[in-house]
Amino acid sequence: DGGITQSPKYLFRKEGQNVTLSCEQNLNHDAMYWYRQDPGQGLRLIYYSQIVNDFQKGDIAEGYSVSREKKESFPLTVTSAQKNPTAFYLCASRLPGSTGANVLTFGAGSRLTVL
Amino acid sequence: AQKVTQAQTEISVVEKEDVTLDCVYETRDTTYYLFWYKQPPSGELVFLIRRNSFDEQNEISGRYSWNFQKSTSSFNFTITASQVVDSAVYFCALSGSISNFGNEKLTFGTGTRLTIIP
Repeated sequence: DGGITQSPKYLFRKEGQNVTLSCEQNLNHDAMYWYRQDPGQGLRLIYYSQIVNDFQKGDIAEGYSVSREKKESFPLTVTSAQKNPTAFYLCASRLPGSTGANVLTFGAGSRLTVL
Repeated sequence: AQKVTQAQTEISVVEKEDVTLDCVYETRDTTYYLFWYKQPPSGELVFLIRRNSFDEQNEISGRYSWNFQKSTSSFNFTITASQVVDSAVYFCALSGSISNFGNEKLTFGTGTRLTIIP
């Protein structure tokens, strides 16, 4: 079955450490997204990528970095510069073309806790 | 700037009751899209519906129905005869005109946590 796989599901990190969250999709989607979810704040866009080797900052990109070397993969690194990294992180991808535009498919998320 | 407001933070109803989740939006775009997503306890968001700004016809899908009113900038979601499996967080979202290389960012509301009591 096609879908988005995020790993790890739960992650604990000490302050000052970088951590990378994995996102892999086998849907052949061009665009991929990273959202952060905090209680009471909904989802906020961190980074998005419309094609391989290209990505743009979202609303809250500071302290995060991404890469898009393959169509299937869009890893997110939470760096030590991110002041409040404890959150639930969701990866998503989008169907190509106008008929499916902006209908996002989401992964099951990764919950990061900074100790 | 785009904004989505879901004023109801949490709602609890007894099973089989009807429940309506409110969504109010703000946008300057003349063409835009509205969405509802469901987030069950497992975490992933599940797409429920997309509606474009030119289509104000209400839609029904089984026990779910959506009422889109441009005059009040609202896109409300009603669940009829609620079931325990409907318990989840529901998000309303808004995006602007779709283009291949433009900013296709979705603006989400803060979500409404719905609990169906058996």
